[in-house]
Amino acid sequence: GQNIDQPTEMTATEGAIVQINCTYQTSGFNGLFWYQQHAGEAPTFLSYNVLDGLEEKGRFSSFLSRSKGYSYLLLKELQMKDSASYLCAVRGLPSNTGKLIFGQGTTLQVKP
Amino acid sequence: DAGVIQSPRHEVTEMGQEVTLRCKPISGHNSLFWYRQTMMRGLELLIYFNNNVPIDDSGMPEDRFSAKMPNASFSTLKIQPSEPRDSAVYFCASTDTLKSLHFGNGTRLTVT
Repeated sequence: GQNIDQPTEMTATEGAIVQINCTYQTSGFNGLFWYQQHAGEAPTFLSYNVLDGLEEKGRFSSFLSRSKGYSYLLLKELQMKDSASYLCAVRGLPSNTGKLIFGQGTTLQVKP
Repeated sequence: DAGVIQSPRHEVTEMGQEVTLRCKPISGHNSLFWYRQTMMRGLELLIYFNNNVPIDDSGMPEDRFSAKMPNASFSTLKIQPSEPRDSAVYFCASTDTLKSLHFGNGTRLTVT
């Protein structure tokens, strides 16, 4: 079966750093994705990891450990506009179709 | 690029009526996905197509749901007859399978 777990809600303060964790158990692995979704809008792509380690993109970084089935999204210098839902998604097999399975999402609230 | 285009943006219908959702993927993308999002179940994959061919429809809830992709630039998701429990946001997404999914703005369906 396939299972992706992430916390339901998190709260952080403007200017701070927050880490959103994701653990997964899937049949096959061909990449882990993070998406951001503001209320009432479509999910938008944030990051992609297929090898172990840290990928940095501006204020956002994503880490992957395939042996542990674990990833995190790190948001630095939080801004109010970062309040959104953050979705962890895994691409399993077959890898040539782009099919993604999503976690339930973590709703992040950034407070002043 | 106009992105993934879905119509209608909102649909309100009565139980028992037929509902048709439409999607135009990004030109050149060869995979198309239909997802459903609810508070309870998150983002669920219903069906996906690769090169206009349905690959996996195991997520389609029941026979009331059907999807077609008659050509590379158009897909429909039909619900007949609709039920109140079908109320959700339905997203269409496309990809060239190299990296991330690109989502449309979704159709918010309300069945009364």
